[in-house]
Amino acid sequence: AQSVTQLGSHVSVSEGALVLLRCNYSSSVPPYLFWYVQYPNQGLQLLLKYTTGATLVKGINGFEAEFKKSETSFHLTKPSAHMSDAAEYFCAVYTGRRALTFGSGTRLQVQP
Amino acid sequence: GAGVSQSPSNKVTEKGKDVELRCDPISGHTALYWYRQSLGQGLEFLIYFQGNSAPDKSGLPSDRFSAERTGGSVSTLTIQRTQQEDSAVYLCASSSGTGYTGELFFGEGSRLTVL
Repeated sequence: AQSVTQLGSHVSVSEGALVLLRCNYSSSVPPYLFWYVQYPNQGLQLLLKYTTGATLVKGINGFEAEFKKSETSFHLTKPSAHMSDAAEYFCAVYTGRRALTFGSGTRLQVQP
Repeated sequence: GAGVSQSPSNKVTEKGKDVELRCDPISGHTALYWYRQSLGQGLEFLIYFQGNSAPDKSGLPSDRFSAERTGGSVSTLTIQRTQQEDSAVYLCASSSGTGYTGELFFGEGSRLTVL
């Protein structure tokens, strides 16, 4: 069975600082991996995804994530946080069975 | 509309009552999903419809929960004899194509409060 673990339910950074949101997965088959973002009172939207090919994936709003098979990780990063990045971020995995399996989410706060 | 539409956006009900939540997916999307988002629990998969195939109901938490999708489009999630632990945001999503791209388009959710 596949699962996703997001380390840290809350992360706080200063504006302009590096953002690092951690995601580890378990899967018995090569996974497809995703990051979704949820702004307050909105539905989730896709930030980026890894399916095959290049392991460093670039997404919207300057975010990127790197698939590291040896570490079973897919951490999300952004070099410089902006106030508008404050949101909840969900990592998800798909391995061919039913729908995506989501992590429990990480709420990102950006301090001025 | 262009996006996934859910109604009602907010529903307050009394314990023991039945509720229906509606989802109108993006036109042409063959796949439709229901998830439940509880405080601090992330997104919990409930049910998945793909085209005319039998739905994957493996995520429904009890037999009080059911869902249908009529005409391959609109879906209704029904919760019978609601309990306080059913309080959550119920999210609907849809996706397109026969191949799985992984991009789910989510509605804004229906917030259910059971008193």
